[in-house]
Amino acid sequence: QSVLTQPPSVSAAPGQNVAISCSGGNSNIGTNDVSWYQQLPGTAPKLLISDNNKRPSGIPDRFSGSKSGASATLAVTGLQTGDEADYYCGTWDSSLSAVVFGGGTKLTVL
Amino acid sequence: QVHLQESGPAQLKSSETLSLTCRVSGTSIYSSNYYWGWVRQAPGRGLEYIASISYAGKTYYSPSLKSRVSISVDASKSQFSLRLASVTAADAAVYFCARLRYTHTVLMDWGQGALVTVSS
Repeated sequence: QSVLTQPPSVSAAPGQNVAISCSGGNSNIGTNDVSWYQQLPGTAPKLLISDNNKRPSGIPDRFSGSKSGASATLAVTGLQTGDEADYYCGTWDSSLSAVVFGGGTKLTVL
Repeated sequence: QVHLQESGPAQLKSSETLSLTCRVSGTSIYSSNYYWGWVRQAPGRGLEYIASISYAGKTYYSPSLKSRVSISVDASKSQFSLRLASVTAADAAVYFCARLRYTHTVLMDWGQGALVTVSS
């Protein structure tokens, strides 16, 4: 059971928009910045969003992040078939003194 | 460009000790801005943090694995290592090494992963 809670799956048609939620508590998201990772099938995770809403170089602006209280959201606009992947949120948990992740959300582009 | 490469035995038997090494290139391991860590992913499952270490040797461990895990760094060789004792089938996974920001809120770069299987 993951410390952070994500929906197991989301889906939408190409060109549409989706949002993936990540819910935590005061000791993790409520206190620390959130990152999001994209894992394409058979590959290592890749940093998608850091510091709640910052995109590393090379990440399209179709991907955006936000945080409010103890929850965070990853938004993807203008879906493309290449966006089909698993998405994970992660942060530091100050009580556990450990990195914590969500269980992952599988994005399907119909 | 930062590159991390895992290496180590791919097959273990139950009760043996898993040993993996991550070689770092493209950046200096001697930086107080970063930690170096391990994350694993069991087949069909999500990401699980294992441990992290600074170049100076300060460590953090997952509470659920702490009793069996040891992480170490050899900065002179630009590499860090993981040891997991008394493995069982539940430890079979892909093990990723990663570069973390010192705050541990960002895993900036990842290795390609090393698949470890455990037989009884």
